[in-house]
This record gives sequence, C-alpha cells and structure tokens, in this order.
Amino acid sequence: AQSVTQPDIHITVSEGASLELRCNYSYGATPYLFWYVQSPGQGLQLLLKYFSGDTLVQGIKGFEAEFKRSQSSFNLRKPSVHWSDAAEYFCAVGEGYQGGKLIFGQGTELSVKP
Amino acid sequence: KAGVTQTPRYLIKTRGQQVTLSCSPISGHRSVSWYQQTPGQGLQFLFEYFSETQRNKGNFPGRFSGRQFSNSRSEMNVSTLELGDSALYLCASSFLGGGPGTEAFFGQGTRLTVV
Repeated sequence: AQSVTQPDIHITVSEGASLELRCNYSYGATPYLFWYVQSPGQGLQLLLKYFSGDTLVQGIKGFEAEFKRSQSSFNLRKPSVHWSDAAEYFCAVGEGYQGGKLIFGQGTELSVKP
Repeated sequence: KAGVTQTPRYLIKTRGQQVTLSCSPISGHRSVSWYQQTPGQGLQFLFEYFSETQRNKGNFPGRFSGRQFSNSRSEMNVSTLELGDSALYLCASSFLGGGPGTEAFFGQGTRLTVV
C-alpha cells in the first residue's frame, strides 16, 4: 500500500539557519509528490510539487525539494529560515491519474527560535 | 479568483446528531475531495467527487457520506455523530483531480466539535 513517512515529528531551527525536512514514500508507480504547509487553524497551502522531469523543484517562499527515486525520498529544503516559516509541513503522494486522492505523512512541526 | 470556501468554519454538535458541511470549489474546478484531520490520525482521505460522481473513497464508515452538485459545490454529511468525529474537515478542489499538472487547493476547513 502507498504510504508517506515523515520521520521527524518536531524540528527546531534558529532563524537564518538552513532547513531540511525529510519525506520518504512508498509507491509502486511514478509518484506525484507534494509539500504543503499549514499554519495553526488554517488549511493547507501548496509549497511545491513534483510530477516528472528535473528532480530538483523550486517552490514558493524560497523552498525547494529534491526527488531521489533510489532513496524513495522527497526532502524539503530552505537555505535560510525566517520566523514566519514556523508551521506544520506535510509531504503527500498523489495516487495518480485516476483520482485526486492524496496520502499524507504525519507532518513535521517546525519551530523557529530567534 | 476566489479560493475554496468551506462553511461553517466552526460547529459544535451533540453526540448522536448529524451534521452537514459545505464546500464551494474554485470556479472551474470539477473535482472536490474531503479530508479529516485529527491529532492522532493526521490527515485522512474521506472521498472525492468529480462531475457529481464519487470517484474515490477512503476507509471510513458509512456514517460519512457526500455528494456533489451540478455547480461542483459539495457537501459532506456525518450521521450519528461520535466523540471521535471531532476534527478539522478539509475540502480541496482541483481542475481535473489527479494527473500531471493538477494540484489540490485547500479550504480553511470546518472545525467540528462533538460533545
């Protein structure tokens, strides 16, 4: 069965430091991969997506992610974190052409210290 | 362009009652999906509707149902509410619902509390 694992439940980084959030997926075919961010009490905002092609994808707010098929990973990175990046981050895999179903990881809560 | 609109934003219901949540997708989007978010289970897929037809369904009991209207607006209904149904219910719309180039846009959710 398809699944997404985010190994880190909570991460704290200092403002200005670099960030990497890990995501591993299990999916038989070519995955459609997404990273979403959620602020408290809000919906999800798409940061970036990967469907095919270049394995390094750029997103909004200075985020990027790298798809590594050999490691079944899709890690999210940002070179310099801002206090406003504090939120919960979700990695998701789409089940492909036939439906809009997304399978989410458990999420990683990011705290930013001054 | 207006985003995905969910109403109401907050709801308090008593165990055993039923509830209906509404979702208006982005104009032109034909696919609407529903998710339940709880601290324990995370984000779980409920169902997806495309052109008024349920195209995909998650692993939830029959108390959870939905429908989609000809204008793509969707409702989900939960009957015989249980305390465990307390959650943030999120609706997402997309142009096609899956496949290259499509992405899901989420509403702000409806916070349901069952007492």
